[in-house]
Amino acid sequence: GNSVTQMEGPVTLSEEAFLTINCTYTATGYPSLFWYVQYPGEGLQLLLKATKADDKGSNKGFEATYRKETTSFHLEKGSVQVSDSAVYFCALNDYKLSFGAGTTVTVRA
Amino acid sequence: EAQVTQNPRYLITVTGKKLTVTCSQNMNHEYMSWYRQDPGLGLRQIYYSMNVEVTDKGDVPEGYKVSRKEKRNFPLILESPSPNQTSLYFCASSSGPNSNQPQHFGDGTRLSIL
Repeated sequence: GNSVTQMEGPVTLSEEAFLTINCTYTATGYPSLFWYVQYPGEGLQLLLKATKADDKGSNKGFEATYRKETTSFHLEKGSVQVSDSAVYFCALNDYKLSFGAGTTVTVRA
Repeated sequence: EAQVTQNPRYLITVTGKKLTVTCSQNMNHEYMSWYRQDPGLGLRQIYYSMNVEVTDKGDVPEGYKVSRKEKRNFPLILESPSPNQTSLYFCASSSGPNSNQPQHFGDGTRLSIL
């Protein structure tokens, strides 16, 4: 079956630091890949997506590239802010959403 | 404003007392689903619905029921709640199960079963 593995947290960074959250997947078909973000007390919001190999999703300074050869979709941001503190979920959708366990990111001023 | 609304946001109750969590969306979406979020496990799908009167089990359906009598509503029913159902629950909707359609999530319902 399909599955998603993402790096365990928590991750603590200083403002303006570089953030990478690793995500790898296993899928039998050709899924779309997503990153969702969950701010404290809120539901999940779509951060970015990529629907086919080599696509790059980007939003709010975050980027992730769909790498079929390494079955990966790592999330990156070059300079984080305190407001980026949240839980980040990698997910794949092959007619059913499968989520990673989530990575808690805390950015300190 | 496009949204998925869940109620209640918080509930503390006791084992065996039936409860219903409501979910409503205003986007005319056909596809709706329920997830539970537990630490270290991410989100796991409980039930989903492809359209009115069409529901199916997700990964962890035991102890839950759903119904889809109207397109906009998809309530989650716990007929005899137990402590292992203490969790954070999310309802979500999308225009279809197609792989490139993102889901829109409600703000969550935190259930504590004592």
